[in-house]
Amino acid sequence: DTGVSQDPRHKITKRGQNVTFRCDPISEHNRLYWYRQTLGQGPEFLTYFQNEAQLEKSRLLSDRFSAERPKGSFSTLEIQRTEQGDSAMYLCASSWRQGGDEKLFFGSGTQLSVL
Amino acid sequence: SQKIEQNSEALNIQEGKTATLTCNYTNYSPAYLQWYRQDPGRGPVFLLLIRENEKEKRKERLKVTFDTTLKQSLFHITASQPADSATYLCALSGSARQLTFGSGTQLTVLP
Repeated sequence: DTGVSQDPRHKITKRGQNVTFRCDPISEHNRLYWYRQTLGQGPEFLTYFQNEAQLEKSRLLSDRFSAERPKGSFSTLEIQRTEQGDSAMYLCASSWRQGGDEKLFFGSGTQLSVL
Repeated sequence: SQKIEQNSEALNIQEGKTATLTCNYTNYSPAYLQWYRQDPGRGPVFLLLIRENEKEKRKERLKVTFDTTLKQSLFHITASQPADSATYLCALSGSARQLTFGSGTQLTVLP
């Protein structure tokens, strides 16, 4: 399978715990995005990387959230001191930007439940 | 403020009919607009991209129109099948580099 891979698929944690998610993008893609999606809503942008550089972060991304993409390959998203409001599907997407167009390839997401 | 609105209600249609989904936006000047399909528990899957200077784009049973004056895109699925049942998301490129998604329309095709 050469698509975007996310791990784990599901995570249940208690409020106050730290969690980390991993995303492996399509290997030749230079851009990697993190989105968050709650039930009945579309994906909301969190942050994105071009190669290893984190170029943009949403206001949604509080200081409890941190993302890395060492060496421009896989990426991790960490949430510290989780809150119940963090419960959502966390989606990773990758792309190879050509000219002005860009289409995203999404993974299946990590479903986070904070109890 | 920028806003993307899709059909607020779920859409149920009979198999074989044409499904038409709408995407309206305000305070955007998108270079292009995209449509994605999302099945329960899965990530969105890219379907079609239409640029601001294009009026219509087709792919098999899918057709997208883009009216930058009305600030609206229509997404059509002809000869719909139960396997087309899913949530369909429109996404715009705005002043920010990332895509911004609408909340989606849930389509059910009844056999």
